[in-house]
Amino acid sequence: DAKTTQPPSMDCAEGRAANLPCNHSTISGNEYVYWYRQIHSQGPQYIIHGLKNNETNEMASLIITEDRKSSTLILPHATLRDTAVYYCIVRVIMEYGNKLVFGAGTILRVKS
Amino acid sequence: GAVVSQHPSRVICKSGTSVKIECRSLDFQATTMFWYRQFPKQSLMLMATSNEGSKATYEQGVEKDKFLINHASLTLSTLTVTSAHPEDSSFYICSADSLGSYTFGSGTRLTVV
Repeated sequence: DAKTTQPPSMDCAEGRAANLPCNHSTISGNEYVYWYRQIHSQGPQYIIHGLKNNETNEMASLIITEDRKSSTLILPHATLRDTAVYYCIVRVIMEYGNKLVFGAGTILRVKS
Repeated sequence: GAVVSQHPSRVICKSGTSVKIECRSLDFQATTMFWYRQFPKQSLMLMATSNEGSKATYEQGVEKDKFLINHASLTLSTLTVTSAHPEDSSFYICSADSLGSYTFGSGTRLTVV
């Protein structure tokens, strides 16, 4: 079962920052948080991941709370092409390896 | 960056036949690959974890004999849907693990008629 909960949908104005929240209250100390997005009928695209520190790359920033029970993905200047389903995922550690278990995701609609 | 190629992108098959889907890591070696299934307007559901040179680990409720997975090399994993039925029609997506970075293929749209 997925360890994350996200709002089903969000709207954002083009050019503004998009802040996508995620709750992962049952996360274990060594489990990473990953963010992917999926545009219709394509494979998921990697955005960013982190363990406990905030992370930033050319696509986005990831803010993880100190207790690690929630995180926020920030797209600093959303464009129409950022319209997609965004998945917050906790990488689950199994005895045979790690795996990504997807939750329901958030549909982000960027509007002009 | 890492690239995963999935083939075919679309396939239509008749009920009762088998279909093989290939997943290749093009510029890296993947000891672990994953197979997901996605129905319309739903999230990705993990079907199985494939480790090179060993048997795949299937998620609960996924039929091993129906969804055969082979991971014979560090760059290739295959998923064979055996005796396909219309309810197997779905979007199948593979993913490869490159040292903690997970790259996804572009998916295979399977339609069983």
